[in-house]
Amino acid sequence: DAKTTQPNSMESNEEEPVHLPCNHSTISGTDYIHWYRQLPSQGPEYVIHGLTSNVNNRMASLAIAEDRKSSTLILHRATLRDAAVYYCILRDLDYGGSQGNLIFGKGTKLSVKP
Amino acid sequence: IAGITQAPTSQILAAGRRMTLRCTQDMRHNAMYWYRQDLGLGLRLIHYSNTAGTTGKGEVPDGYSVSRANTDDFPLTLASAVPSQTSVYFCASSATGNTEAFFGQGTRLTVV
Repeated sequence: DAKTTQPNSMESNEEEPVHLPCNHSTISGTDYIHWYRQLPSQGPEYVIHGLTSNVNNRMASLAIAEDRKSSTLILHRATLRDAAVYYCILRDLDYGGSQGNLIFGKGTKLSVKP
Repeated sequence: IAGITQAPTSQILAAGRRMTLRCTQDMRHNAMYWYRQDLGLGLRLIHYSNTAGTTGKGEVPDGYSVSRANTDDFPLTLASAVPSQTSVYFCASSATGNTEAFFGQGTRLTVV
């Protein structure tokens, strides 16, 4: 499985934007970039995913570098509820066998200060 | 409410005992997964199933078995529990291998 690299932790102030980086220099052409987050004492929850183009949804935006070797998850206005561990995961488009599995790394622990 | 359900929520189990963790989804998802989460080690994939009737080994399959007799259910069995299997277990499902995955709320298992 292709690997991702994320900072161990980040801090943000409430109501400010947050940019969470992820490096994936060995990404293949068939890898989607997925982001999940895990709130304290809960299961992970889906945030967003994309292949090449930037993506927006109600939770966040995903900015993907032109060479796809890095991406950034953008929370436009952080709230206290956004404090969580954020995981950047590569998931193979060619689904079959183990290629489509979600393999979690250590993620980035985001703290939000009031 | 559609979703994924795990049972039990928590369990204390004597070492050597057999235990089955249950996972049911009502979204008709093809793919299902079992993870364990330990402090400092993050989430690790135990077993997965891409469709009913098929299963595969994940990162840490030893000591666990799964079955996928139908689309909705994906039980995880510990044949003879050991203390190192103390963990929080999460079940997940997704429609295909590259769509949003939904996770259950977890089962906290303590093996003593």
